[in-house]
Amino acid sequence: GAVVSQHPSWVICKSGTSVKIECRSLDFQATTMFWYRQFPKQSLMLMATSNEGSKATYEQGVEKDKFLINHASLTLSTLTVTSAHPEDSSFYICSASDRGGGIYGYTFGSGTRLTVV
Amino acid sequence: GQQLNQSPQSMFIQEGEDVSMNCTSSSIFNTWLWYKQDPGEGPVLLIALYKAGELTSNGRLTAQFGITRKDSFLNISASIPSDVGIYFCAGEYSGGGADGLTFGKGTHLIIQP
Repeated sequence: GAVVSQHPSWVICKSGTSVKIECRSLDFQATTMFWYRQFPKQSLMLMATSNEGSKATYEQGVEKDKFLINHASLTLSTLTVTSAHPEDSSFYICSASDRGGGIYGYTFGSGTRLTVV
Repeated sequence: GQQLNQSPQSMFIQEGEDVSMNCTSSSIFNTWLWYKQDPGEGPVLLIALYKAGELTSNGRLTAQFGITRKDSFLNISASIPSDVGIYFCAGEYSGGGADGLTFGKGTHLIIQP
């Protein structure tokens, strides 16, 4: 079945530093990848959508200069949280789609717990 | 933007009981999905619904895509301890896995042995 691998599973960083999170589709080509953010006991909120080889589309209220997204290949997308601050601490989750629909359209990674101290 | 209203927020039930939760929307969706999320993990897809009126089962789980395309329900029969977790409904407007999903706020299922 479709597998999306996300790394790291957790990271602790100092305020002001940058953190990179990777999302890989292991057994299918992901033409589109999505990045979500989830605060404790809350739902998932879509941050941005990235299509391979083009600039990401950010949801309203999400700072594109703070959350840098790169989708350079059909199997890898990265989210870089730049100059992280404590309020950026959250659970970040990616998902990937092959645009073919069906089960591959909605597969999620296992998430990354970011703690900024 | 689109919003999904999911209820109930939480459920405390006895093992063996049946469970029902639902989602409604003010907007039409072309795809409805139900996920389960365990603590510290990403959501895992349980059931995907693609057609209005569709009724789909996955083991003890049954879900239906409302005929108006604005609602869906998920039923779990004969609950067991491993059913504990947070269940989310999610909708996609365009279909085909090309858009991001809009999530409900989740239903926290707690099972008392």
